[in-house]
Amino acid sequence: ETGVTQTPRHLVMGMTNKKSLKCEQHLGHNAMYWYKQSAKKPLELMFVYSLEERVENNSVPSRFSPECPNSSHLFLHLHTLQPEDSALYLCASSQGNSYEQYFGPGTRLTVT
Amino acid sequence: SQQGEEDPQALSIQEGENATMNCSYKTSINNLQWYRQNSGRGLVHLILIRSNEREKHSGRLRVTLDTSKKSSSLLITASRAADTASYFCATGGGNEKLTFGTGTRLTIIP
Repeated sequence: ETGVTQTPRHLVMGMTNKKSLKCEQHLGHNAMYWYKQSAKKPLELMFVYSLEERVENNSVPSRFSPECPNSSHLFLHLHTLQPEDSALYLCASSQGNSYEQYFGPGTRLTVT
Repeated sequence: SQQGEEDPQALSIQEGENATMNCSYKTSINNLQWYRQNSGRGLVHLILIRSNEREKHSGRLRVTLDTSKKSSSLLITASRAADTASYFCATGGGNEKLTFGTGTRLTIIP
C-alpha cells in the first residue's frame, strides 16, 4: 500500500473552507486518477491525468479543482463544498495502457 | 453508468468455508478485474481475466468469466478472517474508464 500515498487521511471542513488533498505515487506511473466513493454507490471517476495532462473530467462540479504538477503528484483543491460531498476520496495510478490501477488509502472527507 | 453489479451485496461465512461472489455486466468487455477493499482503505487489485479466458487462478482465488452471460464469479477457498473486506468487479481500464460495481461485503466469522 505504500506505492500510492494520500494526505491527509481524515479531513473535516466547513462549507466555506478551502483545503487540498494530496496524492503521491512512487511507482513510476504516468497516469493518475481521482475517485469519489460514497456509501452504497459505485466508485465514481472524477478526473484522469495522463502524462500530466487532464484527459477526463467526469462532469465534476467546479468546487473540485485538480492539479497535476508532475507525474508523481496529484492534488484535489476543495472550495465551498456541500455536505453531500462528504465521502472517501481515492487516488490511483497506472502505467501506460496497463489495465490495473494502484490505489492509495484514501482521504475520508466530512463537510459540515 | 454502472457496468458491473455484484451479487450478493453481503455475505457472511464461517472461517474455512468457501466464498463465492458474482458480477454481471452490461456491455462487451476486453477484460474484467476484481479488487478488494478493506474497511475505509484503498482498493487492491486481485486478479484480471481477459475476455478470451474462461478461468484463472491465483493462490486461493479462482475467477471465471462467461462472456455469453456477461458474468464473472470470484471464489475464495478456505476463507480466513483476513479475507473480510468488500470485493468489487471492474471493467475497462487502460484507455477506457475503469468502471466498478457496488461491491460484495464479505464477513468471515472466526
